[in-house]
Amino acid sequence: GENVEQHPSTLSVQEGDSAVIKCTYSDSASNYFPWYKQELGKGPQLIIDIRSNVGEKKDQRIAVTLNKTAKHFSLHITETQPEDSAVYFCAASGNSGYNKLIFGAGTRLAVHP
Amino acid sequence: EPEVTQTPSHQVTQMGQEVILRCVPISNHLYFYWYRQILGQKVEFLVSFYNNEISEKSEIFDDQFSVERPDGSNFTLKIRSTKLEDSAMYFCASSQDGNTEAFFGQGTRLTVV
Repeated sequence: GENVEQHPSTLSVQEGDSAVIKCTYSDSASNYFPWYKQELGKGPQLIIDIRSNVGEKKDQRIAVTLNKTAKHFSLHITETQPEDSAVYFCAASGNSGYNKLIFGAGTRLAVHP
Repeated sequence: EPEVTQTPSHQVTQMGQEVILRCVPISNHLYFYWYRQILGQKVEFLVSFYNNEISEKSEIFDDQFSVERPDGSNFTLKIRSTKLEDSAMYFCASSQDGNTEAFFGQGTRLTVV
């Protein structure tokens, strides 16, 4: 069945360093890849997304890359700040037209001052 | 900024009881979803709903679950006879169409005792 693997499960960085989180997906029909940030006690918040017709997308300190051939996509956060500390989830959606998201297991990012 | 709202934030119920979780999606959205997150685990798709009917559901969404849009604003998830393993965070989400980003609510923490 559809599956999304996410690594690492935890990531600890110093403020100002970069953080990279990687995901792989199994369904080659997947064409939409959002990233969500979840802070304690809150719902997932969309931070960036990419579609399969694009290889890279950037929004200020956040970028996402997609390799469709390898079925990999990654989140890059540069110049990390303590407020970036949260759990990050990648997800993949197929072409069913109903936006069913398959989530990765999450990465707990800790940014230390 | 428009947001998805969920009530209650926390629901405690006895095993075997029925619960109804409520959601108000973003007003111009047409696609609605329920996801759940068991403590410490990944977010899992339950069901998608469009045009007043279920468009897709997961294996988790068995006969004890049902969804309804009783009026023009609310979207509900009913669990008929709760089990201990139904304890989880339940997230409602909505999207404008089936291929655009999904926005999540803050979640309802369901505790079955």
